[in-house]
Amino acid sequence: DIVMTQSPDSLAVSLGERATLNCKSSQSVLYNSNNKNYVAWYQQKPGQPPKLLIYWASTRESGVPDRFSGSGSGTDFTLTISSLQAEDVALYYCLQYYSTLPSFGQGTEVGIK
Amino acid sequence: EVQLVESGGDLVQPGRSLKLSCIASGFTFGDYGVTWVRQAPGKGLEWIAFIRRKAYGGATEYAASVRGRFTISRDDSKNIAHLQMDSLKTEDTAVYYCARVQGPPNTGSLYYFDYWGLGTLVTVSS
Repeated sequence: DIVMTQSPDSLAVSLGERATLNCKSSQSVLYNSNNKNYVAWYQQKPGQPPKLLIYWASTRESGVPDRFSGSGSGTDFTLTISSLQAEDVALYYCLQYYSTLPSFGQGTEVGIK
Repeated sequence: EVQLVESGGDLVQPGRSLKLSCIASGFTFGDYGVTWVRQAPGKGLEWIAFIRRKAYGGATEYAASVRGRFTISRDDSKNIAHLQMDSLKTEDTAVYYCARVQGPPNTGSLYYFDYWGLGTLVTVSS
């Protein structure tokens, strides 16, 4: 099974500053035949279901603000919030769908400093 | 508008069974895979089950934590997916979400989950 490990578990960032969230997979999730990384990022606010932000590691879902960006390849991935807004306070999860048994990271909680 | 609505959550005793439903609307249900993800109170997301489109035999996958106890199924004529949960344990207590699964047009592979329901709460306790 592929294990996804997120870091840090939580971080506090000043409004308008950059937030950097990391996700590491226990094996490569890059599919060589199509050169795609099988990673997605989700945002979850209290009492709400997860919301898809990023898929294929770097493709922004329609309607997601462009301050959210994804990067990385192979086993190391990053979600960046370029200028943190109050409404970005949430839990963020990475997901690998390379395997037929997908798995989530444990989550990173983002708050305001 | 794409919508998924879960139902069937309840308080149930350990060892008993429960069946959850996920009713979809706003898209051609049969063209997509469906998955269930759960979230225990105060915990993270755990993927538990996936069912492919009928074009790929409706084949299923399960997480080790539920394999042999839970069964995912679908009825494309009613735009509904089910999760039959047997031999429930206290550690199965969670909010259960269904989600639509994106996938390639020519295989039964599983991609990312794009639309989610609001979830239904299952509490397993004596």
